[in-house]
Amino acid sequence: EVQLVESGGGLVQPGGSLRLSCAVSGFTFGDYEMNWVRQAPGKGLEWVSCITSSNFIYYADSVEGRFAIFRDNAKSSLYLEMNSLRAEDTAVYYCVRGGRYYSLDYWGQGTLVTVSS
Amino acid sequence: SHELTQPPSVSVSPGQTASIACSGDKLGSTYASWYQQKPGQSPVLIIYRDGDRPSGIPARFSGSSSGNTATLTIAGTQAMDEADYYCQAWVGNTGVFGGGTKLTV
Repeated sequence: EVQLVESGGGLVQPGGSLRLSCAVSGFTFGDYEMNWVRQAPGKGLEWVSCITSSNFIYYADSVEGRFAIFRDNAKSSLYLEMNSLRAEDTAVYYCVRGGRYYSLDYWGQGTLVTVSS
Repeated sequence: SHELTQPPSVSVSPGQTASIACSGDKLGSTYASWYQQKPGQSPVLIIYRDGDRPSGIPARFSGSSSGNTATLTIAGTQAMDEADYYCQAWVGNTGVFGGGTKLTV
C-alpha cells in the first residue's frame, strides 16, 4: 500500500524557516518524481515544487529563491526547506507522488504551516 | 494567477449528469488530470491523460478534451459525489491547477 506521511508543520513567525518532511512507503521512492502542493485555508490547490527521479528541480514563481526541495532516496524521504516565510505561505502542504502521464496520483494527509506573529 | 479556468460552482440533481469544464490555452498540447476533494480530506486523482480512470474510480466519472478545454463528466451523479473538483496540467515544467469547482448535488 502506498503511503506518504508529512511532518514538520507548525507555527512560525514571518521571516522564519521551517523544514517539512515526507516519509513514503509502498513503492520504490527513487523511481518517481515527487511534488509539494499546498492549499491555503478555504482556498484552492497550488503546486509548489517538484523533484524528478534524476534530481531535476522546479519551483512555482511564488516560492522560487525561498524554498528548496530535496530528497533522500536511501531514506525514502522528501523534504521542503522553507525560508523567509510570509503570511501568504500559510497552508496545508501535501506531499504528492508524480504518476503516469503527468498526473499526481498519491497524496499524503498534509501538514499545516501557519506563518503568523 | 490561474492559467486554467473552471466555473466556481456547478449544481446537479441526483441521478443527473454533471459536467465541469476546464479551459486554458495550453490544454491543447498537454494532458489534463482531475482531482476530487471532499471536506477535510486530501485530494484524490480521478482522471488522468484527459480521460483515463485510475483503478478503483467508478465508471460514472469520465473525462474528455477538445481544443483548449478539458471536461469532467459525472453520469448518474450521487450524493457522495458532492465535493470540490480541480483540473490540473503542466505548463512547461510548472504544475498548474484550476481554481476548483464546488459540485452541489
